[in-house]
Amino acid sequence: KAGVTQTPRYLIKTRGQQVTLSCSPISGHRSVSWYQQTPGQGLQFLFEYFSETQRNKGNFPGRFSGRQFSNSRSEMNVSTLELGDSALYLCASSLANGPNYGYTFGSGTRLTVV
Amino acid sequence: QKEVEQDPGPLSVPEGAIVSLNCTYSNSAFQYFMWYRQYSRKGPELLMYTYSSGNKEDGRFTAQVDKSSKYISLFIRDSQPSDSATYLCASVGGSNYKLTFGKGTLLTVNP
Repeated sequence: KAGVTQTPRYLIKTRGQQVTLSCSPISGHRSVSWYQQTPGQGLQFLFEYFSETQRNKGNFPGRFSGRQFSNSRSEMNVSTLELGDSALYLCASSLANGPNYGYTFGSGTRLTVV
Repeated sequence: QKEVEQDPGPLSVPEGAIVSLNCTYSNSAFQYFMWYRQYSRKGPELLMYTYSSGNKEDGRFTAQVDKSSKYISLFIRDSQPSDSATYLCASVGGSNYKLTFGKGTLLTVNP
């Protein structure tokens, strides 16, 4: 059974550029969440999608956005990149609506902004 | 105050030792409590999952939740070098389903 797949694994971008990260959840999982992980702040929640609808959003600026497609695959976009956006971006999928099903993480996309 | 506090360590123990990892939380709405293990260059892997207060055991791992004191613990018995990783506690509850994480504790088990 394939796990959560995130692409690309590594990315280097220049300040001011924009970037799109992709996440394919486990087959049958309908909930996809995104997290940013940095050494200083740890793992911080970005947003969560369920059945193509954003249900929750964390405290990140509007430069961070996302969407979910009808096949549950999700993308997140960061516009006007800043040096502080350098981080590991993690996607997690869950079977259904609610935390009692657990969350499975992908290996992440490591974004470096120079 | 962060909603979930975790001692970042690092923690270094000899092989075979009992390891105790702890977190505290402040949000009374938290109902679900999880422990994740993260190896270098990998995503977090779910280790243990507990609903409300109580103990849960899985092999060498035991998770404890005390909601009265808002305390979360993970015990690892007979620790192995392969247990060397960062351990993250996380909680969920209330009206949204976002995971709130502690910052993680880096554990090294020395052979």
